[in-house]
Amino acid sequence: AQTVTQSQPEMSVQEAETVTLSCTYDTSENNYYLFWYKQPPSRQMILVIRQEAYKQQNATENRFSVNFQKAAKSFSLKISDSQLGDTAMYFCAFMKLPTNAGKSTFGDGTTLTVKP
Amino acid sequence: DAEITQSPRHKITETGRQVTLACHQTWNHNNMFWYRQDLGHGLRLIHYSYGVQDTNKGEVSDGYSVSRSNTEDLPLTLESAASSQTSVYFCASSSRGFPSYNEQFFGPGTRLTVL
Repeated sequence: AQTVTQSQPEMSVQEAETVTLSCTYDTSENNYYLFWYKQPPSRQMILVIRQEAYKQQNATENRFSVNFQKAAKSFSLKISDSQLGDTAMYFCAFMKLPTNAGKSTFGDGTTLTVKP
Repeated sequence: DAEITQSPRHKITETGRQVTLACHQTWNHNNMFWYRQDLGHGLRLIHYSYGVQDTNKGEVSDGYSVSRSNTEDLPLTLESAASSQTSVYFCASSSRGFPSYNEQFFGPGTRLTVL
């Protein structure tokens, strides 16, 4: 079974600064997806960024980027130019392909607070 | 716009009662999931479905059941509610293909309290 570990239960950052959230995972699979989801205080969870394991290039979405280290089984999220609206709980998730399409294993989350 | 909705948003019930939480999606996704989220934990998978008439147990399925009679709905039933089932429940849906590529779309959640 896969496990996902987020070692930072809580983090804070000053507005406009950069913060990195850590995620490690344990798997023997070679073909999988990794995700970062954001859950704001309103609770609706949304996708932040996605990385396919076969792609060596790190995914980027505007101010959000990942550092994907496949050999080290590490998948960190970097948020640049942090904004107050980035305050949320962030979950790292792993999904094996192809037989478990859509079924994800989630980490316990990191609560990020962006301070003005 | 397509969406995924859950009802009720809040529910208080008593130990031993049967409770059903509704989930409805208009994304036309084949895959649907139920998770529970407890303080200090991430989302844990309860049940999931890859299509009509298909249901599968997740890692914390004891005391829960689901049925899938159409594409849009996956109701979650607590057979005999227990205090340990007090939690926030999230429904999600996904599709394997373009353009979402397995991204999960989540409902707003249902906060269930079992007294």
